[in-house]
Amino acid sequence: KQEVTQIPAALSVPEGENLVLNCSFTDSAIYNLQWFRQDPGKGLTSLLLIQSSQREQTSGRLNASLDKSSGRSTLYIAASQPGDSATYLCAGVSGGSYIPTFGRGTSLIVHP
Amino acid sequence: DTGVSQDPRHKITKRGQNVTFRCDPISEHNRLYWYRQTLGQGPEFLTYFQNEAQLEKSRLLSDRFSAERPKGSFSTLEIQRTEQGDSAMYLCASVKGGQRNYGYTFGSGTRLTVV
Repeated sequence: KQEVTQIPAALSVPEGENLVLNCSFTDSAIYNLQWFRQDPGKGLTSLLLIQSSQREQTSGRLNASLDKSSGRSTLYIAASQPGDSATYLCAGVSGGSYIPTFGRGTSLIVHP
Repeated sequence: DTGVSQDPRHKITKRGQNVTFRCDPISEHNRLYWYRQTLGQGPEFLTYFQNEAQLEKSRLLSDRFSAERPKGSFSTLEIQRTEQGDSAMYLCASVKGGQRNYGYTFGSGTRLTVV
């Protein structure tokens, strides 16, 4: 059974910092890994999807990497802004069930 | 493509009442998922459908919960005899199945409060 862990649980940084959010998973036979953003009381917004054959994906100031051998993915946010404040969740899909398994998320606050 | 729609956005109900939520997936997505999320936790899988067939249910889905997707389009999630522990955000997601390389699209969720 896939288990996903996210570290840190919470992060507070000043505006402009580059930061890294971590996601670890136990089943290296992962099909894909997806990063989401969730604002308080809202649904999930997809940020990046990394296929098992890929090492990284980029969108604007976001870059996500995937290392199946070590069971890790990272989300890199460059030049953070207050508008980046949200909870970031990663979800891995593995096995034959096509069911994403989520971590608990990292709650990010970027202060001006 | 109007995204995944969930209705209602918020529901407050008294303990013991039945509630029903609706999810309309993206039209060409044949797989539909229900998740539950409580404060400070990640979404937890409840059940999923491929077309109209319910393929898997989590142990979290007690006998008081039932989900349907009668025509392989929209889905409903019903909770009978609600309890305070059912208070959570209920999220629906859809994906174009058949291949495992597509990303999942989530709706805005239904926030249930049981008083």
